[in-house]
Amino acid sequence: NAGVMQNPRHLVRRRGQEARLRCSPMKGHSHVYWYRQLPEEGLKFMVYLQKENIIDESGMPKERFSAEFPKEGPSILRIQQVVRGDSAAYFCASSAVKDSPLHFGNGTRLTVT
Amino acid sequence: SQQGEEDPQALSIQEGENATMNCSYKTSINNLQWYRQNSGRGLVHLILIRSNEREKHSGRLRVTLDTSKKSSSLLITASRAADTASYFCATEGSQGNLIFGKGTKLSVKP
Repeated sequence: NAGVMQNPRHLVRRRGQEARLRCSPMKGHSHVYWYRQLPEEGLKFMVYLQKENIIDESGMPKERFSAEFPKEGPSILRIQQVVRGDSAAYFCASSAVKDSPLHFGNGTRLTVT
Repeated sequence: SQQGEEDPQALSIQEGENATMNCSYKTSINNLQWYRQNSGRGLVHLILIRSNEREKHSGRLRVTLDTSKKSSSLLITASRAADTASYFCATEGSQGNLIFGKGTKLSVKP
């Protein structure tokens, strides 16, 4: 039973390019959460999605960032026109129902040069 | 906004000793969770304690919850080098998402 799969594991982008981060939740999980982590820091909540719907995007910057979780396929976190400050580890987590423990992927480490 | 705050920020102990980490939070909760993160990896769920529970055990882990003080503690007994990791507490946000503290970095020396 595969866990939460994130790809790519490492992503390098030049300033101004787009970054697309993918997350396949655990089988049977319809709730997906994206978090961002800077070195030596905790996880900062970005967005919570449930199949085809954004439930809470209060932690996501209004500009350049977007997220989706389509009916078929993985959840995508998209960052347009990346800047150096976007460099971080981005973690995806999933759960079967609301308020249950989260299962995390191993993250995508984005480096903006 | 930060809900949980762990204390201490860093803890260094010898193998075999006990490690205690504390978490304080601000608003009322339905449950509180503890997670562990090894370097370079995603978080792993350790234990969930509900607001009507005062103590919970799982192997060498013991979690307490004091809702009157809005605090929780995680005790790891007879620590091992493999317990070296960062430990985070988490509480639910208004829409069901989890909000994490900044974590306690535990180092267990062999």
